[in-house]
Amino acid sequence: AQSVTQPDIHITVSEGASLELRCNYSYGATPYLFWYVQSPGQGLQLLLKYFSGDTLVQGIKGFEAEFKRSQSSFNLRKPSVHWSDAAEYFCAVGEGGYSTLTFGKGTMLLVSP
Amino acid sequence: NAGVTQTPKFQVLKTGQSMTLQCAQDMNHEYMSWYRQDPGMGLRLIHYSVGAGITDQGEVPNGYNVSRSTTEDFPLRLLSAAPSQTSVYFCASSYEGTGPYEQYFGPGTRLTVT
Repeated sequence: AQSVTQPDIHITVSEGASLELRCNYSYGATPYLFWYVQSPGQGLQLLLKYFSGDTLVQGIKGFEAEFKRSQSSFNLRKPSVHWSDAAEYFCAVGEGGYSTLTFGKGTMLLVSP
Repeated sequence: NAGVTQTPKFQVLKTGQSMTLQCAQDMNHEYMSWYRQDPGMGLRLIHYSVGAGITDQGEVPNGYNVSRSTTEDFPLRLLSAAPSQTSVYFCASSYEGTGPYEQYFGPGTRLTVT
């Protein structure tokens, strides 16, 4: 069975600093990879996705992620964090043939002034 | 389009009660799913459907029942509520057009079982 690991439960970043959130997956075939963001009390918003092609994908709100097959990773990055980026971030992988996702446990991002 | 809608937004149940969480989508998506979200656990798949009349179990199906009589609706039934079912429930839909795995999520239902 596939799995997704987000090693960091919490991360604190200063406003204006760069951000990298880690995601590792376990899946035999070419994965479909996603990053979602969830603000407190809100639903999930898709930040970006990777299906195939260019391994560096751009998303909304200035986020990007890089797919590295050799490391089974899909890390999320942002060059300069804003206070409004404080939220919980979920990495997810598509499950073969059934149109559902397996999620990591999430990383809570705190932004300090 | 309203997208994916869920009702109710909030619900409190007593142990042993039953209820149905409603989910509807107006995008003609063939795939629909139910997830539950618990602190520190991410989202876990309860049940899913690949089309009207076709459903299957996900990772945590016990205590829940689903059916899919139309493309638009995918209700989730709690047969006899337990405190362990206190959670936030998200319904999602997807379709082949932009890749079948991209989920469109509803706003969620926050359920408390006392």
